[in-house]
Order: sequence, then C-alpha cells, then structure tokens
Amino acid sequence: QKEVEQDPGPLSVPEGAIVSLNCTYSNSAFQYFMWYRQYSRKGPELLMYTYSSGNKEDGRFTAQVDKSSKYISLFIRDSQPSDSATYLCAMSQNSGYSTLTFGKGTMLLVSP
Amino acid sequence: DAGITQSPRHKVTETGTPVTLRCHQTENHRYMYWYRQDPGHGLRLIHYSYGVKDTDKGEVSDGYSVSRSKTEDFLLTLESATSSQTSVYFCAISEFTGTLNTGELFFGEGSRLTVL
Repeated sequence: QKEVEQDPGPLSVPEGAIVSLNCTYSNSAFQYFMWYRQYSRKGPELLMYTYSSGNKEDGRFTAQVDKSSKYISLFIRDSQPSDSATYLCAMSQNSGYSTLTFGKGTMLLVSP
Repeated sequence: DAGITQSPRHKVTETGTPVTLRCHQTENHRYMYWYRQDPGHGLRLIHYSYGVKDTDKGEVSDGYSVSRSKTEDFLLTLESATSSQTSVYFCAISEFTGTLNTGELFFGEGSRLTVL
C-alpha cells in the first residue's frame, strides 16, 4: 500500500460547483498536511497548510484533516476556470521539508 | 514569485552522457531541494542542501549527485544518464527547514529532461 493515495482524475466540474479533493494515507505518524496547486508546465505552489486535525479556511478553500480516518480533503467553493490545475497533497511526520511525502495529484478541470 | 531560475528548461540527451541541471535563487534561502516528478508517482526528493557544501540524500538519490558551492546555486548532476531518469526536475527553496516557523517551500518552473 502506498503511503499516500490520491485519485488522479481528471475531475470535471462546471463553474460555480463545490469541489472536493481527497487523499488517504497509511502512516498514522503524519501530522503536517499541505495542499499544493500545480498549473500545467509550472512548479507547485502552496495553497493550504494544516497541522494535526481540524479544518482551516482561506477564502474559497477549506482544508480538512481527519486523522482517525487517515483522510484529508480540500474543498473549493464557487469553483472558477482559473482553478483548473493539478492539486497535490503532501504530508510528513515532522515539520521538515526533507521528509515530505507527496500524493500523485488530482487534475481538476472547471468548465465555464 | 520566488526568485528561482532553473536551467536548462528543456534538454534531450542520449543514454550514457553526463547532464547537469542548475538551480539559481535570488532569495538567499538556506535550504535547496531537487525533486523529480513522474506520471504515476508523486514528487520525490532526490537530494537537498542545508547550506554551502552541506547536502544530503533524499528518497531517490541513486544515479544523482549534487553540489552547492554558493548559497544561490544548487547543481544536480546525472553522471551517466539513463532512460529511467527521463523526468521533470523541480528545484525548490525554503528559508527554514520546514513549516515549524511557517516557512514555505517554493518551487521553480521545472526542467524537462528526456534521455533517449
């Protein structure tokens, strides 16, 4: 079993939809969780960062961590065509970037 | 945008030839990283550096070497390229070692390498 599982998609939604992106993981020691957005032919950029369990909201984006289920989610409200990108989850046991484990990414397509 | 420049952005080479990818930063960040990204895999860490001349191996370091002689430059070398090293290579930088101080990991735009 891979440490981090993420459905590659593509996930196609109409503009304005609520999008749910998810990752499951097997390592119960993970406690730092991140979501990155990667546009085509670009490097990833940090969207959300969460430590341990709970929710975090930033504008149209909400990150949710359920450590009991080993499941993290990213919700995008009022999705826009500019949200079309690949979304990568990443997580680690400690705060160090050298130990980050990335998911494969989910491609999201938001149509006008 | 973080000041990270990767060169070359695209390279096609033949099996057995040496290849060097360069990452140059203008942010004076202490930590620099090389990742590779392949279909079916997440980003995987190759090597990282925590200071001038200080480097360490990542998850997939076999076949790669790195050097950092100046704060701003981090070089990734494939001594003898193989087809399995065809990938997109990303450099990343961070001011801190991780998120503990809310430091962020910034990525370059990637170098696409094809080994024939």
